[in-house]
Amino acid sequence: AQTVTQSQPEMSVQEAETVTLSCTYDTSESDYYLFWYKQPPSRQMILVIRQEAYKQQNATENRFSVNFQKAAKSFSLKISDSQLGDAAMYFCAYFGNEKLTFGTGTRLTIIP
Amino acid sequence: GAVVSQHPSRVICKSGTSVKIECRSLDFQATTMFWYRQFPKKSLMLMATSNEGSKATYEQGVEKDKFLINHASLTLSTLTVTSAHPEDSSFYICSAKGGKDTEAFFGQGTRLTVV
Repeated sequence: AQTVTQSQPEMSVQEAETVTLSCTYDTSESDYYLFWYKQPPSRQMILVIRQEAYKQQNATENRFSVNFQKAAKSFSLKISDSQLGDAAMYFCAYFGNEKLTFGTGTRLTIIP
Repeated sequence: GAVVSQHPSRVICKSGTSVKIECRSLDFQATTMFWYRQFPKKSLMLMATSNEGSKATYEQGVEKDKFLINHASLTLSTLTVTSAHPEDSSFYICSAKGGKDTEAFFGQGTRLTVV
């Protein structure tokens, strides 16, 4: 079974600075997708960014980018120019074999 | 993105009663729906995956007779918590995806409190 690990329960960053959230996963599949979701206090899950495993190029969405290392099974999220609205729980997720599995989450605090 | 509506957002029920939670895809056909349970400050634990017209596939440790999932149409899935007990109190979230799409869209969640 696939597992997703986020080793940082909490992270904090100064406003306007850059922060990187870590995620590793374990799978025996070669075709899968990876996601980062944001969950603000409202608890609505919001897709931040996604990466197809067959693509070597790292995905980028405005201030959000990933460092996808397939061989190492690593999928970190970099948030540049952090803003107060970025404060939330961030979940790394793996989609494969028709199942979406989440990591344990990282609570990100933005320091004004 | 596509919209998934989950209802109710909050429900309080008495111990021993059953509660039904609905998950609707409003603007796309949801061939697959996922039901998750989230404990306070914890991750989303997958309970079951349902495909339209088929029986749900439950994760290990999830009681299928207690958490009844029905996915009778391409726009609606329901989760019924039967004979609810206080330990079933939790935040339940559904998500839905269509066909070969890889992105799943999430409902707003349902806070269930069993008293």
